[in-house]
Amino acid sequence: GAGVSQSPSNKVTEKGKDVELRCDPISGHTALYWYRQRLGQGLEFLIYFQGNSAPDKSGLPSDRFSAERTGESVSTLTIQRTQQEDSAVYLCASSLGGVGRSRETQYFGPGTRLLVL
Amino acid sequence: AQSVTQLDSQVPVFEEAPVELRCNYSSSVSVYLFWYVQYPNQGLQLLLKYLSGSTLVKGINGFEAEFNKSQTSFHLRKPSVHISDTAEYFCAVRDDKIIFGKGTRLHILP
Repeated sequence: GAGVSQSPSNKVTEKGKDVELRCDPISGHTALYWYRQRLGQGLEFLIYFQGNSAPDKSGLPSDRFSAERTGESVSTLTIQRTQQEDSAVYLCASSLGGVGRSRETQYFGPGTRLLVL
Repeated sequence: AQSVTQLDSQVPVFEEAPVELRCNYSSSVSVYLFWYVQYPNQGLQLLLKYLSGSTLVKGINGFEAEFNKSQTSFHLRKPSVHISDTAEYFCAVRDDKIIFGKGTRLHILP
């Protein structure tokens, strides 16, 4: 497809379990972002990948959260030992990235709705 | 460090009335500024962006925003809103990375 895709679209898990969320960015997009959107709240930045540079992990809320990206393609966000407060929509976005102001528009995926019981 | 403040969490406005959604930012260097919109049960999409040049930028659906460097603001405006503008609006700033505000819910009253 031409857009950003995320899987699964919905995930229900039990407290204490690990979950893995996947994001497939638009082909050719070197920048990839993960955000968390809790119910009724705004977007919370989690992590940013730009090409082969070290990721910006400054938004990760705890060491239970981690993310990886294979080259300039798929990214996975892993939440270990999930807690109820992790329940949210996790959004992935990609952009062309790199140098050049016109490359900054982000394209968002549909999100993964995570519910921790 | 960069930050974005959207002062109003919710804005009710009558249909066909004008609206302004406020956004203020802080950043140490020149920035790129964005407004994204999230319609009910849909994903985020770009409404407009300021990268350089004219400080008044026009976006989709009749929205426009003005970059004011001295006031570090990027307020979003529309002269006459429609019921279909009901959505959540997010301001974002890109310094070293893109940071979003907490969003403003626009409620259109009949």
